Amino acid sequence: GENVEQHPSTLSVQEGDSAVIKCTYSDSASNYFPWYKQELGKRPQLIIDIRSNVGEKKDQRIAVTLNKTAKHFSLHITETQPEDSAVYFCAASRGYGGSQGNLIFGKGTKLSVKP
Amino acid sequence: ETGVTQSPTHLIKTRGQQVTLRCSSQSGHNTVSWYQQALGQGPQFIFQYYREEENGRGNFPPRFSGLQFPNYSSELNVNALELDDSALYLCASSLYGGNEKLFFGSGTQLSVL
Repeated sequence: GENVEQHPSTLSVQEGDSAVIKCTYSDSASNYFPWYKQELGKRPQLIIDIRSNVGEKKDQRIAVTLNKTAKHFSLHITETQPEDSAVYFCAASRGYGGSQGNLIFGKGTKLSVKP
Repeated sequence: ETGVTQSPTHLIKTRGQQVTLRCSSQSGHNTVSWYQQALGQGPQFIFQYYREEENGRGNFPPRFSGLQFPNYSSELNVNALELDDSALYLCASSLYGGNEKLFFGSGTQLSVL
């Protein structure tokens, strides 16, 4: 089955710097890659997602890149702010629902942005 | 528009007991997925319900079971609780049996003593 590895497990940056979190996946049939942000004691929230037919997607200060050949995808946060501090999870999915389509999550990256 | 709501927020049970967790999906969403999140880990898929039927199941034993009601709300039942069942249980809603753009609830923190 699918396996998603996420690195680093913790990341500390200065406010204004960029942060990059990387994930690798094992199932070449995976075609949907979301990123979720989970603040302490709160629900995971979708921040950006990408499909396998797209190499890059941006939304303001957040971008995701996908390399299908190498089976890895990355989250890039520019101009980090203290409110970006949270745990970030990547996930991969084969497709649309069912037991083969369910999301497989990485173990998370705890991002700390220091003022 | 209402978000995904879960109840209760916290629960303490003893080993061997049974527990029922509840979830109301986001308005307009007809699919509910349940995930288990152990401390320091990513969410792990338990099962999904769509059109009141199980639409996929992860690697969890049969003592984990569920229901979906006509109003799309859902229950997760766990029988014969074990210590390792202690975790945050998250419910997520989506559309048409899909796993894209899941909207998560805040979860139920279950402690098994």
